[in-house]
Amino acid sequence: NAGVTQTPKFQVLKTGQSMTLQCAQDMNHNSMYWYRQDPGMGLRLIYYSASEGTTDKGEVPNGYNVSRLNKREFSLRLESAAPSQTSVYFCASSPGQWGTEAFFGQGTRLTVV
Amino acid sequence: QKEVEQNSGPLSVPEGAIASLNCTYSDRVSQSFFWYRQYSGKSPELIMSIYSNGDKEDGRFTAQLNKASQYVSLLIRDSQPSDSATYLCAVNGFTGGGNKLTFGTGTQLKVEL
Repeated sequence: NAGVTQTPKFQVLKTGQSMTLQCAQDMNHNSMYWYRQDPGMGLRLIYYSASEGTTDKGEVPNGYNVSRLNKREFSLRLESAAPSQTSVYFCASSPGQWGTEAFFGQGTRLTVV
Repeated sequence: QKEVEQNSGPLSVPEGAIASLNCTYSDRVSQSFFWYRQYSGKSPELIMSIYSNGDKEDGRFTAQLNKASQYVSLLIRDSQPSDSATYLCAVNGFTGGGNKLTFGTGTQLKVEL
């Protein structure tokens, strides 16, 4: 039971570099999410995709882009990494649009130097 | 005002006691409420969901919801050292664009021997 799989688990970037965080779920869920977690700030929603073919901004979208490649995959791209983007990133998925719980991947710890 | 508020703690309880964790939310149209447990360095893990007013029990855990007061709580009976973790309250609301799960900053629970 893979659930939600994120790659990579750890990454160090230099300021200005770009990278894509990958996320895939095998639970046939409709909705997918990207969160970042910083000390004292809790989980903050970056972008979400309520269903295949749609994406919407969350609370902190600046500096990020997303692609819902298909129903299984939802990627997060940092075009020009900044030290403020140092964080732990979590991908999550949920079965449907209405009031359903989310299940999380194992996280990606990103450091921008 | 934050959408979902929790006391950051730490909340310390002796082993075998009842731990009471509280959460308030601001959006009156919220319909679904969740409690996640997060161990240090790990991803959030769903432990309880509640959708209607009243209590919902699952083993040692009881979730309580009062929509009129915009309040949700989690009781952990017979607390064990393994319950030491951060507990995240999450509230699900419909934004017009789809499902959005908003998290509080979490309450750190320490169960002492």
